Amino acid sequence: QVQLVQSGAEVKKPGSSVKVSCKASGGTFNNYVINWVRQAPGQGLEWMGRIIPVFGITNYAQKFQGRVTITADKSTSTAYMEMSSLRSEDTAMYYCAKDGMDVWGQGTTVTVSS
Amino acid sequence: SYELTQPLSVSLALGQTARITCGGNNIGDKNVHWYQQKPGQAPVLVIYTNNNRPSGIPERFSGSNSGDAATLTISRAQAGDEADYYCQVWDRTIVLFGGGTKLTVL
Repeated sequence: QVQLVQSGAEVKKPGSSVKVSCKASGGTFNNYVINWVRQAPGQGLEWMGRIIPVFGITNYAQKFQGRVTITADKSTSTAYMEMSSLRSEDTAMYYCAKDGMDVWGQGTTVTVSS
Repeated sequence: SYELTQPLSVSLALGQTARITCGGNNIGDKNVHWYQQKPGQAPVLVIYTNNNRPSGIPERFSGSNSGDAATLTISRAQAGDEADYYCQVWDRTIVLFGGGTKLTVL
């Protein structure tokens, strides 16, 4: 059974960047698509983008285009989501999810505060 | 851009049937997926491709999709079904979520 394990909580200053990792185990990483979804406190789910690791192809929600970069390291079966120019509104839980969204990571809390 | 509309909340008594709608223009032409999220937990897929249950999801959960609305139906609602529920579709290469519905079982 595939499992996704994310990196730990982050606290960042406004204007800085954050990079969250999502490590897959129990399956063949090259066969997956990895999605990134965020959830601000008390709010709904918001899709950010995805990567097809075997091809390196990415798609982004328009809202995050240019500020978010999703990458993958096939050698370590790890996907990454990097967000730049952080602001307080980016404070949220960030999740990775496998294609089909039947498997999710445990989430990573990112807090942006001065 | 395509939008999904869900009621903010649905309340029902224990044992009744809950129906949570997800509205969208000709949503019947799309595949709809549903997620359950309990406080402090990651979402869980409960229905995929309109009316299919993943392994481990009770038969009490079912889905339908036609016209301008998809519906998640939860039969014989239990206290443990209290959660937020989100519908989701693909719009070309983009994933869209509904705003979410809070289900309260009284």
